[in-house]
Amino acid sequence: GQQLNQSPQSMFIQEGEDVSMNCTSSSIFNTWLWYKQDPGEGPVLLIALYKAGELTSNGRLTAQFGITRKDSFLNISASIPSDVGIYFCAGQLATSGTYKYIFGTGTRLKVLA
Amino acid sequence: GAGVSQSPRYKVAKRGQDVALRCDPISGHVSLFWYQQALGQGPEFLTYFQNEAQLDKSGLPSDRFFAERPEGSVSTLKIQRTQQEDSAVYLCASSLMEKNIQYFGAGTRLSVL
Repeated sequence: GQQLNQSPQSMFIQEGEDVSMNCTSSSIFNTWLWYKQDPGEGPVLLIALYKAGELTSNGRLTAQFGITRKDSFLNISASIPSDVGIYFCAGQLATSGTYKYIFGTGTRLKVLA
Repeated sequence: GAGVSQSPRYKVAKRGQDVALRCDPISGHVSLFWYQQALGQGPEFLTYFQNEAQLDKSGLPSDRFFAERPEGSVSTLKIQRTQQEDSAVYLCASSLMEKNIQYFGAGTRLSVL
């Protein structure tokens, strides 16, 4: 099935460091969502983006809808141990004619105390 | 209920058995989505409903997969004659309308032996 390119695939960081991850595609999207998934749980929404260029924050998290509408970025500032988990982007295609979302391959984040 | 509820949480099936996975969406949510998440991957779209109408089933991998939502609330994903490659976590999500944010359940982990 179709999945978005997400990078990095995984990362180990020290507590207190900032984290950046991104999602790219060759297709244009109407909406970008960022989710976090803990083991054994469903994805939990972090941030939703609806317009090209939009920059939205949720606490220590900031996400941006790329100006080309083909990419999105998520930044986590001053990471803490509970940030550990898998982060997924999800995009809603502009031309799909449906409301399904395509998910990224995930970024696995591990925070070292 | 407060969130999306899925049952069972875990299901072990012998190859060739039929299984039925249940999803109780958030009360009042019009749209319901099913995803399949293989180990180490992001969720992949299977199908979605608006009320009782199945508007997109393009992600169903074969005719062994069937979903229904007869009264526009609870949905069931049925897999006939299960095969080992069907082993995955099946996630259900609901949203107020199609364009709105999707809220996920914890998923059903299906293991086919």
